[in-house]
Amino acid sequence: KAGVTQTPRYLIKTRGQQVTLSCSPISGHRSVSWYQQTPGQGLQFLFEYFSETQRNKGNFPGRFSGRQFSNSRSEMNVSTLELGDSALYLCASSWQGSGEQYFGPGTRLTVT
Amino acid sequence: GQSLEQPSEVTAVEGAIVQINCTYQTSGFYGLSWYQQHDGGAPTFLSYNALDGLEETGRFSSFLSRSDSYGYLLLQELQMKDSASYFCAVRDDRDQTGANNLFFGTGTRLTVIP
Repeated sequence: KAGVTQTPRYLIKTRGQQVTLSCSPISGHRSVSWYQQTPGQGLQFLFEYFSETQRNKGNFPGRFSGRQFSNSRSEMNVSTLELGDSALYLCASSWQGSGEQYFGPGTRLTVT
Repeated sequence: GQSLEQPSEVTAVEGAIVQINCTYQTSGFYGLSWYQQHDGGAPTFLSYNALDGLEETGRFSSFLSRSDSYGYLLLQELQMKDSASYFCAVRDDRDQTGANNLFFGTGTRLTVIP
């Protein structure tokens, strides 16, 4: 079974730009969660999607948004990028109601 | 909100046993997970406890006490490849939607020495 895939793996953007990251979950998994990982703040929950609906959102500004498609693939978008958005963005897929999540390799975003 | 506490660093000898503790505070606790992350890699799932007690998976075991808001990860027969960061994470489902949002601790960096 193929694992979680994320594209692109690396990205360099300029302040003020926007970015879209993509995540394809493990086949059969309908829940996709997104996390931001930085050295200072650790792993922080962004949001979770299930059946194309956002079920939960973490404490991030509205510049961070996402969506999920009918095939469970998910995208997250960050608008008006700031230097502090430089981070590793991870998505994870799982069955419903499970603490067992499978992470993709992440997208390393650098904002200059 | 949620808060989790775990030691920042632990050093242990190859072949030994190490225990990484995690205490948590959350209003909608549904379970405690453990993840391993090597430098430059993504977190990988180790274990999930929804009920009190000990879960064993090979060299790794995880324990949960819901009444004490406490859990630990036990690693036996340590190997050099076990050097990594270990994160505890609570699954918060206060609205009982089956949500899978995990709130992670800051991680424990385990260094295994020969």
